[in-house]
Amino acid sequence: NAGVTQTPKFRVLKTGQSMTLLCAQDMNHEYMYWYRQDPGMGLRLIHYSVGEGTTAKGEVPDGYNVSRLKKQNFLLGLESAAPSQTSVYFCASGHEQYFGPGTRLTVT
Amino acid sequence: KQEVTQIPAALSVPEGENLVLNCSFTDSAIYNLQWFRQDPGKGLTSLLLIQSSQREQTSGRLNASLDKSSGRSTLYIAASQPGDSATYLCAVRPWRSGSARQLTFGSGTQLTVLP
Repeated sequence: NAGVTQTPKFRVLKTGQSMTLLCAQDMNHEYMYWYRQDPGMGLRLIHYSVGEGTTAKGEVPDGYNVSRLKKQNFLLGLESAAPSQTSVYFCASGHEQYFGPGTRLTVT
Repeated sequence: KQEVTQIPAALSVPEGENLVLNCSFTDSAIYNLQWFRQDPGKGLTSLLLIQSSQREQTSGRLNASLDKSSGRSTLYIAASQPGDSATYLCAVRPWRSGSARQLTFGSGTQLTVLP
């Protein structure tokens, strides 16, 4: 039982490049979430999903897209990365919010 | 819009001391409140969850209280240990219809317990 896993753990992108962050959970949770954490700002919700095939916008969705094709996976995409998207990204699942270890992304 | 504030941003105490971390929120219409712990470079771990109808929750040396009417919660840590050093975040979930009931997080209190 791995809980919530995220790949990759670290990534450096150049402005304009694209990438996808993968979140996987093995707890059969319906709800999954993507957050970003920036110094002094706590965690802010980017997008979330209430079940397979569904997605919804959170507090800061601009510049990101998501997909939930399988119940256990929640993907976060950056189509054209910007330096403002430099952050630590966390995935969580379930009502009580089980968190993954995070992905540290730097956009230069 | 709900705002969650945690003061102080950082706290340093000697080992063995009892301490209180504070969390305040602007909208009292909450479904529940949750306290998390975050170790450096790690994700968040849920410590305690208090439903809006509850006044407190306890787990080991941790006790969280909730005063919904005044928009405050406290996390009490008894007999602090160096292993308690971490950032503690509180988050509230709104009482409203609709799915997910998204959490609003405070920016956390960074606790250091000195040996």
